[in-house]
Amino acid sequence: DTVLTQSPALAVSPGERVTISCKASESVSTRMHWYQQKPGQQPKLLIYKASNLASGVPARFSGSGSGTDFTLTIDPVEADDTATYFCQQSWNGPRTFGGGTKLELK
Amino acid sequence: QVQLKESGPGLVQPSQTLSLTCTVSGFSLTSYNVHWVRQPPGKGLEWMGRMRYNGDTSYNSALKSRLSISRDTSKNQVFLKMNSLQTDDTGTYYCTRDWTEGPFDYWGQGVMVTVSS
Repeated sequence: DTVLTQSPALAVSPGERVTISCKASESVSTRMHWYQQKPGQQPKLLIYKASNLASGVPARFSGSGSGTDFTLTIDPVEADDTATYFCQQSWNGPRTFGGGTKLELK
Repeated sequence: QVQLKESGPGLVQPSQTLSLTCTVSGFSLTSYNVHWVRQPPGKGLEWMGRMRYNGDTSYNSALKSRLSISRDTSKNQVFLKMNSLQTDDTGTYYCTRDWTEGPFDYWGQGVMVTVSS
């Protein structure tokens, strides 16, 4: 199965730019998607197919990458962005998720 | 509008079988795939398996021997059954959907399942 690796946690100040990375163990083309999950809630789709903004998601969120290296960028970060962010691939066999990056605001 | 809603028991005894139902509205099970994803408390997301739009199923290899997914298109429901539950099966179980191997665009609210005697 394709393993997706994310950094466990980040801390940034409101107004700053933050990048969250996801590295795949093998190429997933551009079939990488990003989700935001707040405590007690279900995941919410942010970015699909690497760089496409999901409906209703603020333009502060953007995604890039292809192959094995992907990035989710939030610019500028707002207090409401405190959450855990997961990447997920739909290119190779069984769907797999990254371990999640917990974003905290200073 | 598109909705998915999970239902099932909140408490299951060890070694017993878990049965969950995902009831959908706003779309057709013959056009979209429905997946089950679970999340242990404080941990990440694990894909469990899928009911494809054409009735085919696929499963996480780690769960395949214990897991079965089925559906009733007339009732707009997808079912999950997993046997031999242990305490590490405790967590929130979600159903979600995708179209043509795309992202999971809509999720249910999830159902918390505790495995305990």
